[in-house]
Amino acid sequence: EAQVTQNPRYLITVTGKKLTVTCSQNMNHEYMSWYRQDPGLGLRQIYYSMNVEVTDKGDVPEGYKVSRKEKRNFPLILESPSPNQTSLYFCASKEVDGGYNEQFFGPGTRLTVL
Amino acid sequence: AQSVSQHNHHVILSEAASLELGCNYSYGGTVNLFWYVQYPGQHLQLLLKYFSGDPLVKGIKGFEAEFIKSKFSFNLRKPSVQWSDTAEYFCAVKDYGQNFVFGPGTRLSVLP
Repeated sequence: EAQVTQNPRYLITVTGKKLTVTCSQNMNHEYMSWYRQDPGLGLRQIYYSMNVEVTDKGDVPEGYKVSRKEKRNFPLILESPSPNQTSLYFCASKEVDGGYNEQFFGPGTRLTVL
Repeated sequence: AQSVSQHNHHVILSEAASLELGCNYSYGGTVNLFWYVQYPGQHLQLLLKYFSGDPLVKGIKGFEAEFIKSKFSFNLRKPSVQWSDTAEYFCAVKDYGQNFVFGPGTRLSVLP
């Protein structure tokens, strides 16, 4: 089954404790992206990647890091989480062909930073 | 930078009522337009998309949207809503790069 998976699905942590949210897709998509969803703000893009070792900032990259060492994986790293990073995070992937194909979204990770 | 606005924060309708959700983006050029739906507790799913050609786009579950270039709009419509359409709806735009910009969302509640 074609899918995007994220782990963990729920995470409660404390300020300053480094964490990683994993994202993996099995569709051989070149493009992967991370979003955060906050009430009244919709989804805002954090980082995206066009292919292995190619990453770019989205609209809200501050406080986040990403890496793309393998095509299927695109982890989101919070080196020193803060309470304003409490949010619902979605990973997405798609083929790179001018954007004609849709993005496939993962199930989401709800992060709470105390 | 591109921005997307959605006219309504929360829409409440009775079953069988007609639906129109507004979406406007901030500037023109070549854009790709999307509507996504998020059912409670689930991830986003694509309803429909526009890239070129016929500005009236038909999607899944009886939804359609009309692209009006002169108004920078891409409104979502459905002639008769069902209780199962209760969800949050997001309009999104992709312009020249690979940056996708989403609107703030419209929550739809359909009363049985």
